[in-house]
Amino acid sequence: EAQVTQNPRYLITVTGKKLTVTCSQNMNHEYMSWYRQDPGLGLRQIYYSMNVEVTDKGDVPEGYKVSRKEKRNFPLILESPSPNQTSLYFCASSWQGNSPLHFGNGTRLTVT
Amino acid sequence: GENVEQHPSTLSVQEGDSAVIKCTYSDSASNYFPWYKQELGKGPQLIIDIRSNVGEKKDQRIAVTLNKTAKHFSLHITETQPEDSAVYFCAASGGGTASKLTFGTGTRLQVTL
Repeated sequence: EAQVTQNPRYLITVTGKKLTVTCSQNMNHEYMSWYRQDPGLGLRQIYYSMNVEVTDKGDVPEGYKVSRKEKRNFPLILESPSPNQTSLYFCASSWQGNSPLHFGNGTRLTVT
Repeated sequence: GENVEQHPSTLSVQEGDSAVIKCTYSDSASNYFPWYKQELGKGPQLIIDIRSNVGEKKDQRIAVTLNKTAKHFSLHITETQPEDSAVYFCAASGGGTASKLTFGTGTRLQVTL
């Protein structure tokens, strides 16, 4: 089954404790992206990747890092999480930036 | 950059009625306009999309219209059913393979019996 898999689904952590949210897709997509969803703000792009070893900032990249060492994986790294990063995070993939996105089921992160 | 505005933020309709959600965009170079449906606890899922060389597209009870001159596009759902209840997002993407989707703020549709 074609899918984007994110883990974990729920995560509660404390300020400053490094964490990684994993994302994997099995569709051989070149384009992958991370979004955060906050009430009243819709989906805002954090980082995206056009292909292996090619990443770029989205609209809200501060406080986040990503890497794309393999085509299928695109982890999101929060080196020093802060409470304002409490949000619902989605990973997505597609053939290219201007084509239909396939989303994972989300990771709800709470930073206390 | 692109800016997408979406209205209304909430919409309640009776089962069987039609629902219309409207979006405007700012970048005249945008050429791809998808609509996503998000059910509770799930990620957004593409329901229909349109490219700038087409004015209207239909898929059963769902249709999207695009007015490039006015820079707005709309989602139309006819004969609404309870399972249509969800949050709907519009998005716009500029030209080129590196272009990214900019999303609207979402519309919560409630279909009542």
